[in-house]
Amino acid sequence: GQQLNQSPQSMFIQEGEDVSMNCTSSSIFNTWLWYKQDPGEGPVLLIALYKAGELTSNGRLTAQFGITRKDSFLNISASIPSDVGIYFCAGQGYGGATNKLIFGTGTLLAVQP
Amino acid sequence: EAGVAQSPRYKIIEKRQSVAFWCNPISGHATLYWYQQILGQGPKLLIQFQNNGVVDDSQLPKDRFSAERLKGVDSTLKIQPAKLEDSAVYLCASSLNTEAFFGQGTRLTVV
Repeated sequence: GQQLNQSPQSMFIQEGEDVSMNCTSSSIFNTWLWYKQDPGEGPVLLIALYKAGELTSNGRLTAQFGITRKDSFLNISASIPSDVGIYFCAGQGYGGATNKLIFGTGTLLAVQP
Repeated sequence: EAGVAQSPRYKIIEKRQSVAFWCNPISGHATLYWYQQILGQGPKLLIQFQNNGVVDDSQLPKDRFSAERLKGVDSTLKIQPAKLEDSAVYLCASSLNTEAFFGQGTRLTVV
């Protein structure tokens, strides 16, 4: 099955630094979602993007829906220790199925105080 | 609003045994997803329901996995017989339109 490519695979940063990660696909999606997963928990929705070129913020998080509809980006500003976790992108609308949801490979974020 | 409920949280079984997982989606959510998440990987879609009908089960190993969503609400995912490679977290999610919300998952260990 298709899976979206995320990069980087992992990041180790100092508290206060900004973080950028991206997600790419060979297919077009209608919706991009970004999730965060803590150990032993299910993914939690952070941001949803519905239109090509859209830029959406949620606190210190900003995400963009790529113009080509084949990619998306997530930025975290002024990172804090509780940002630690695995971040997943997810694309929806692949292959004409309006709400089939495909996940990326994940980006592990570690923040050192 | 109550979230997606899953049970059990943990299950350990021997290979060749059978196991079942239960999911209660958010009230009113027509779409229900089951995902398999192997350690270190992203969730992989196993099956997607729209009400009580199957929308996509192309990645479901149908020789051993089955799922049902009777009455379009609760859902059960079964594995029979289990293999070692089935060890994973099984996640259930539901959505009204586009945004999907996840339960805590069931961690399955096959020994």
